[in-house]
Amino acid sequence: DGGITQSPKYLFRKEGQNVTLSCEQNLNHDAMYWYRQDPGQGLRLIYYSQIVNDFQKGDIAEGYSVSREKKESFPLTVTSAQKNPTAFYLCASSIWGQGGEQYFGPGTRLTVT
Amino acid sequence: GESVGLHLPTLSVQEGDNSIINCAYSNSASDYFIWYKQESGKGPQFIIDIRSNMDKRQGQRVTVLLNKTVKHLSLQIAATQPGDSAVYFCAALSYNTDKLIFGTGTRLQVFP
Repeated sequence: DGGITQSPKYLFRKEGQNVTLSCEQNLNHDAMYWYRQDPGQGLRLIYYSQIVNDFQKGDIAEGYSVSREKKESFPLTVTSAQKNPTAFYLCASSIWGQGGEQYFGPGTRLTVT
Repeated sequence: GESVGLHLPTLSVQEGDNSIINCAYSNSASDYFIWYKQESGKGPQFIIDIRSNMDKRQGQRVTVLLNKTVKHLSLQIAATQPGDSAVYFCAALSYNTDKLIFGTGTRLQVFP
């Protein structure tokens, strides 16, 4: 089956710790995205990548970092510098440059206490 | 900045009735629009899309209407079912970027 997987589904961390969220896709999509979703709000773009070894900041990149070493993988690290890390994180992918649909993973709910 | 907004945070309908969810966007350069459905604790799922060269597109039980003059689009769900209960997002994409701008979502509640 083709799709996007995110792991784990739930993640708990202590304040001050960095944590990495996994995102893998086997759709052969060039572009991948990370969004953050808070209650009552739309999706906000954290980082996106159009191609391997390249990525750009989205609207709320502070306190986050990413890497894109492989086409299939786009991990997101939530650093201790992120002031409000507790949220639902969504990864997506698309065929870049065609203005088309983004396919979403199931999400990771991160709770930091 | 660019924004996309939905008119109502919550919409309650009776099973079997038609539902209409509205969305407004600010960027006149937006040329592609998507409606997503998100069930609790899951990622958004594609419902239907429409390009700016169209004003109506129909799918199975769903219709999207686009009014570029007033920068408004709507999602119509015919014969709403309990399984339609979810949060619905519209998203707009501009031809000069490939970033989707999402609205805040409307929660559709279907009562028997």
